[in-house]
Amino acid sequence: AQSVTQLDSQVPVFEEAPVELRCNYSSSVSVYLFWYVQYPNQGLQLLLKYLSGSTLVESINGFEAEFNKSQTSFHLRKPSVHISDTAEYFCAVRGGYNKLIFGAGTRLAVHP
Amino acid sequence: SAVISQKPSRDICQRGTSLTIQCQVDSQVTMMFWYRQQPGQSLTLIATANQGSEATYESGFVIDKFPISRPNLTFSTLTVSNMSPEDSSIYLCSVAVTEEAFFGQGTRLTVV
Repeated sequence: AQSVTQLDSQVPVFEEAPVELRCNYSSSVSVYLFWYVQYPNQGLQLLLKYLSGSTLVESINGFEAEFNKSQTSFHLRKPSVHISDTAEYFCAVRGGYNKLIFGAGTRLAVHP
Repeated sequence: SAVISQKPSRDICQRGTSLTIQCQVDSQVTMMFWYRQQPGQSLTLIATANQGSEATYESGFVIDKFPISRPNLTFSTLTVSNMSPEDSSIYLCSVAVTEEAFFGQGTRLTVV
C-alpha cells in the first residue's frame, strides 16, 4: 500500500531565505509523485510532478523537487521564498486506479 | 487538462439534513474521485465513481452516508446524508487525465 509522510507540519521562514519541505513515500508499485499547493481559501493546484525521466523536476515559480529512490524521498525546495509562497503544501503519491494518497501537509509561512 | 465546476461552493446546513454536491467536467473521464478535507487536515479519498457501476468506497466511508451518482462521463454528485457537525469539511471532486489529477474548487460545508 502507498503512503506519504510529510515530516514538518509547519515551516516558518523569512523572505528570501531558502526552504525545504520534506516528503517521504512508500509505494510497492511504479512511483508517481506530486506536490500540490493550496493558497488560503483557494483550491488545490498542481505545483510539480515526477512521472519518469529526470529525477529533478521544476515548477514555473522557482520550486524544484528531486526524486530519490534510495531514500524514498521527494523533497520540495526553493532557493529564495517570497511572501506570496505562504500556503499549504501537500505531497502525494499516485495509488491504484489513479487515486492520490496525500501527506498531512506542510504549512509554509513566509515572514518579512 | 480538465476544468471542473463544482457547486455549491459553500453551504451552511442544519444537522440531520442532506446536501448534494455536483461536479461537472469539461471532458469525458472514466473515473471521478471525491475527497474530503477536514479543517486543518489533509485530503482523504471518500470514493471513486465510475460511470455505469457502483462507486468504490474507501475504508471508513459508506454508501448510506455518502451516496454517489455517476450518470454519465462528465458529471457526478456526492450527497452528504444526515449531517452532523463532524461532517463540516471541504469536499472536492477530482479527475485524472493521463497522469495528472485535476481538482474542483471544492464545496465548503458547515453543519450547525
